[in-house]
Amino acid sequence: AQKVTQAQTEISVVEKEDVTLDCVYETRDTTYYLFWYKQPPSGELVFLIRRNSFDEQNEISGRYSWNFQKSTSSFNFTITASQVVDSAVYFCALPSYNQGGKLIFGQGTELSVKP
Amino acid sequence: EAQVTQNPRYLITVTGKKLTVTCSQNMNHEYMSWYRQDPGLGLRQIYYSMNVEVTDKGDVPEGYKVSRKEKRNFPLILESPSPNQTSLYFCASSPRTSSRTYNEQFFGPGTRLTVL
Repeated sequence: AQKVTQAQTEISVVEKEDVTLDCVYETRDTTYYLFWYKQPPSGELVFLIRRNSFDEQNEISGRYSWNFQKSTSSFNFTITASQVVDSAVYFCALPSYNQGGKLIFGQGTELSVKP
Repeated sequence: EAQVTQNPRYLITVTGKKLTVTCSQNMNHEYMSWYRQDPGLGLRQIYYSMNVEVTDKGDVPEGYKVSRKEKRNFPLILESPSPNQTSLYFCASSPRTSSRTYNEQFFGPGTRLTVL
């Protein structure tokens, strides 16, 4: 079975703090993809990153970075020097190969960045 | 601008009154899908379409219909809405390059539906 677990339901930080959002996944596939999405208070789902299982290099995009570790089945997301605009719910997701690429989402982590 | 559009964005209706939520994408994507998002249940797939005239059920298809007559459009139809279909609905699209390569899904802005 495939599953995504985001154990942190809510995180609250003060602006400029670094914060890491955890994502642990389960899959029997040897080739797979992982995604992160952001859902700000306005409600839309914004794509952040796609990672395939062949590439274990960390990814950095501005203040965002992702740490992919196959050995621990984790794909964690770090925001450096957080800002109020980073306040959102963040979802980690894994495509299902059995249902046309249906995204299996984690429960989401609600990040609140206070000024 | 490349995007997925949904209409309406907000809808309040009554039980039994047929409605359609439209979804359109301008990125020439083969794959389209509908999800609903509910508190405590997360995001669940309703239906998906691999290409024109090809649709299939997701996890929660009961009470919904879809059609894919054109590549760009994938409407969601509620023939007889009920209060348990009150939810936030998202349409998504994605290019498909092979059967084992999954590209990111781009989501529409969402449709907040309330069925009284």
